[in-house]
Amino acid sequence: QKEVEQDPGPLSVPEGAIVSLNCTYSNSAFQYFMWYRQYSRKGPELLMYTYSSGNKEDGRFTAQVDKSSKYISLFIRDSQPSDSATYLCAMNYGGATNKLIFGTGTLLAVQP
Amino acid sequence: NAGVMQNPRHLVRRRGQEARLRCSPMKGHSHVYWYRQLPEEGLKFMVYLQKENIIDESGMPKERFSAEFPKEGPSILRIQQVVRGDSAAYFCASSPPRLASNTGELFFGEGSRLTVL
Repeated sequence: QKEVEQDPGPLSVPEGAIVSLNCTYSNSAFQYFMWYRQYSRKGPELLMYTYSSGNKEDGRFTAQVDKSSKYISLFIRDSQPSDSATYLCAMNYGGATNKLIFGTGTLLAVQP
Repeated sequence: NAGVMQNPRHLVRRRGQEARLRCSPMKGHSHVYWYRQLPEEGLKFMVYLQKENIIDESGMPKERFSAEFPKEGPSILRIQQVVRGDSAAYFCASSPPRLASNTGELFFGEGSRLTVL
């Protein structure tokens, strides 16, 4: 079993839709939870990070963590064609090494 | 350009040759990470370095792979005697010391894509 599971998609939605992206994980020792966005042929860039269970909002993006269920989500409101990318969840144990464990990524296409 | 710089962006090698990938971290960043991204797979951690020190190499294959981050110059990921299975995108990331352990915020380069013929 992989430590982090993520549906690879692809996920295709119309412009303006609400997008829900999800990951599950198996190791309760994970401390920090992140969402990265990766455009084609580019490096990942951090969108959001969270530490505790609950919601964190940043503009059109909301990250949600449920540690009891080992489940994290990223919601994108009013999706735009420029949101079309691969979304990677990631997590780490905290501490000194900052070794991130990534999901496989979900490919999102927002159709104009 | 103040971002993480990786070169070459594309590298083609024949089986048995050596590949050297270079990474210059963002200005002010002293921590460097190498990740590998295989087709249909997520990013896999390889190694974490600080200047002149390897901090965590738990993701590095035991043979043929090595990494360094010298006092001067870029970090180097070296793959000796490449095989077809080494074909992948290799990403370097950097962070400043304080952020490294707390938030998971890494600044990634655009990657070096290695193709082994």
